[in-house]
Amino acid sequence: DAEITQSPRHKITETGRQVTLACHQTWNHNNMFWYRQDLGHGLRLIHYSYGVQDTNKGEVSDGYSVSRSNTEDLPLTLESAASSQTSVYFCASSPRVGGQETQYFGPGTRLLVL
Amino acid sequence: KQEVTQIPAALSVPEGENLVLNCSFTDSAIYNLQWFRQDPGKGLTSLLLIQSSQREQTSGRLNASLDKSSGRSTLYIAASQPGDSATYLCAVFNTDKLIFGTGTRLQVFP
Repeated sequence: DAEITQSPRHKITETGRQVTLACHQTWNHNNMFWYRQDLGHGLRLIHYSYGVQDTNKGEVSDGYSVSRSNTEDLPLTLESAASSQTSVYFCASSPRVGGQETQYFGPGTRLLVL
Repeated sequence: KQEVTQIPAALSVPEGENLVLNCSFTDSAIYNLQWFRQDPGKGLTSLLLIQSSQREQTSGRLNASLDKSSGRSTLYIAASQPGDSATYLCAVFNTDKLIFGTGTRLQVFP
């Protein structure tokens, strides 16, 4: 069955380190999204991509970057981790650019920055 | 800027009750709206997607309504069960991106 996976599921890092969170989907979806979930804020969009070599900033993109070298993967990089980036990170995908079909979510990565 | 609000933030009910979860949004010119369920420590599972031209969508014991003119959507759960305990999130589409509410945490006790 097609799915979307994230790794690692849990990560502890130190302030100032570079961290990369992986997201892999097997649906061959064009759209991929990264969200962060914090108490009191719900899920907020960090970055998104409509296809290979395409990346766009979301609502809370400062301190994060993404790259899309193939259809299946959208890794999220924290350039220099900060305590404010302690959060749960979710990756999602959906089929079409401009489409409003269901978004499918991964299981999440819980990140703690000390 | 679109804002999505969910009330109440938490709800505790006895098994068997019918209940309604509320979602309101500030910009009525929305596209589609989606309801999700999130279990503790898990990802989001899509429950229902209502297209902007629809007023209702049903799946089993769940019924979601959409009233764009008043900026509201409701999720109706019939005959609640302990297995329904989870956080329920609504999200509105801004073109193909989702804007989420903060969720309603539901506990159904036996």
